[in-house]
Amino acid sequence: EPEVTQTPSHQVTQMGQEVILRCVPISNHLYFYWYRQILGQKVEFLVSFYNNEISEKSEIFDDQFSVERPDGSNFTLKIRSTKLEDSAMYFCASSEVREGGTEAFFGQGTRLTVV
Amino acid sequence: AQKITQTQPGMFVQEKEAVTLDCTYDTSDPSYGLFWYKQPSSGEMIFLIYQGSYDQQNATEGRYSLNFQKARKSANLVISASQLGDSAMYFCAMREPGGYQKVTFGTGTKLQVIP
Repeated sequence: EPEVTQTPSHQVTQMGQEVILRCVPISNHLYFYWYRQILGQKVEFLVSFYNNEISEKSEIFDDQFSVERPDGSNFTLKIRSTKLEDSAMYFCASSEVREGGTEAFFGQGTRLTVV
Repeated sequence: AQKITQTQPGMFVQEKEAVTLDCTYDTSDPSYGLFWYKQPSSGEMIFLIYQGSYDQQNATEGRYSLNFQKARKSANLVISASQLGDSAMYFCAMREPGGYQKVTFGTGTKLQVIP
């Protein structure tokens, strides 16, 4: 069964460093998303991406964050100058483009720890 | 304003019994989608079931069914014949109009299945 894959599963970084979280969405999906879940809290939307551009972003997704689809398969989230409060589980998701909408399939997540 | 409300922070159920996890939502648009996701302790987000706002029948997927009451704006998840492996966080979520845009999550319900 096709799945969304994320690497790495766990990333530890020093405060102030840049990190890149990687995702390979399901191959025929055209909508991509990043979500964040701070430990013990709910899942928060960060950004959606369609047709090689950001289609929507939340107030969390400020200039510190950027997304890119560098090739036909990868979808990345870059966090510049990481802060302690960026520590969270980051989920990538993808969905088809279908009339009426469709479910988003999530990757297994990358646990980011900023020390 | 809260768009997805899960009022049960935690629930217990005896193995082999059925359990209902509550979810209410708020939207003024007639076209939307409702989802349930399971998040085990390992952290990944697993899609369980989807209900479109125009679907006439309640969605079912194996032991999972969605009790969709449109007029009351509720979308409760029913898990029949609970298994120990069902112990996890369960998130209700909604996709709003546009069909492809972000999914908004509730705060989750922690389900514990007791042997």
